[in-house]
Amino acid sequence: ELKVEQNPLFLSMQEGKNYTIYCNYSTTSDRLYWYRQDPGKSLESLFVLLSNGAVKQEGRLMASLDTKARLSTLHITAAVHDLSATYFCAVENWGGGADGLTFGKGTHLIIQP
Amino acid sequence: DAGVIQSPRHEVTEMGQEVTLRCKPISGHDYLFWYRQTMMRGLELLIYFNNNVPIDDSGMPEDRFSAKMPNASFSTLKIQPSEPRDSAVYFCASNNRGTGELFFGEGSRLTVL
Repeated sequence: ELKVEQNPLFLSMQEGKNYTIYCNYSTTSDRLYWYRQDPGKSLESLFVLLSNGAVKQEGRLMASLDTKARLSTLHITAAVHDLSATYFCAVENWGGGADGLTFGKGTHLIIQP
Repeated sequence: DAGVIQSPRHEVTEMGQEVTLRCKPISGHDYLFWYRQTMMRGLELLIYFNNNVPIDDSGMPEDRFSAKMPNASFSTLKIQPSEPRDSAVYFCASNNRGTGELFFGEGSRLTVL
């Protein structure tokens, strides 16, 4: 069974600080996705990582993928309040009892002034 | 372009009643996924369709749950009879070829009293 683990699950940080969210997964996959969800809203795609060593950046967020370590990171630089949300990583896999995207539990991020 | 459209956005019903959730995927997408989101279990894949055909329904929790996709632009998820533990947000998502980022609807928040 494919397991996707995120840590931390809850994170409260101050504006201006840097932090990293980690996503570990248990089976081979070359495709990993990061989503953002605001309270009561849908999931919004942030990054699509399609190969080992992939790095994507958008504003203060940067995501990377190491398929050998089965690890992805989402790095936040100089956090601002608007980045407060829940962030999910999702691993794509087909067969073996898991089809499509398997999501982590999410990291609930609160950024305080 | 219109995104994935779900209805109703909110549904409150009593235990034992039938609930029908509806989804219109993005035009041209040939994969459709139904997910359920709860605090305890996170995002779980219930069932997915390819070209209107159900491919994997192993995530459907019980026989009380059923899903159909009569054509490329419409899918339903039905719960009959509903129970309080079915209370959750149900998301519909679609994409092309099954791989790549998923596009989510706004979700249907179900409360069963």
